[in-house]
Amino acid sequence: EVRLVESGGGLIQPGGSLRLSCAASGFTVSSNYMVWVRQAPGEGLEWVSGIHSGGATYYIDSVQGRFTISRDNRKNTLYLQMNSLRAEDTAVYYCARVVSWLPRDWGQGTLVTVSS
Amino acid sequence: QSVLTQPPSVSGTPGQRVTISCSGSSSNIGSNSVGWYQQLPGTAPKLLIYSDNQRPSGVPDRFSGSKSGTSASLAISGLQSEDESDYCCAAWDDSLNGPVFGGGTKLTVL
Repeated sequence: EVRLVESGGGLIQPGGSLRLSCAASGFTVSSNYMVWVRQAPGEGLEWVSGIHSGGATYYIDSVQGRFTISRDNRKNTLYLQMNSLRAEDTAVYYCARVVSWLPRDWGQGTLVTVSS
Repeated sequence: QSVLTQPPSVSGTPGQRVTISCSGSSSNIGSNSVGWYQQLPGTAPKLLIYSDNQRPSGVPDRFSGSKSGTSASLAISGLQSEDESDYCCAAWDDSLNGPVFGGGTKLTVL
């Protein structure tokens, strides 16, 4: 059974840093395209970052240079390092496995609140 | 401002058929397949449709998808009260190298 479990969210002041983790089971993270998708309160879904099985990484413009996606193959875990956090980064962050060019398997999400 | 455009809300009565539209561009819907998600409050999205019109196992055949050009639609027939939820479309975007989403449509079953 495919399972994704996010952790690492919380309340952080503007300018601070957080690292989100996404522990996977039932499949191999490094063999799949993995993404982070966020959802601000009352808003729609927004793709944030992705990492190809080959290692190439991609970001939306608003987080480029501040966020870094990575993976630990031994731990079968996906990460999102978030630096210089802003109020507009407040959202529930989901990790997901992409199958047939769409996120198919999702974690339960972890809430990141950026506020002073 | 979501990349894909959906109506904010639709409604129907039990047993009716409703459709939800999704409009995009040549870099996403126009060149890649479309998916649809159902999202209940406080939960992660659940994939309902992929590859324009395919249903994952366990999704009732009351849900169907279609695509034409840079637009797509989700149809729900035989509407049931448990279908009341938010629905969101998605497609891969070649210019972003990632998926893009609609803003979501709230379905109300009257």
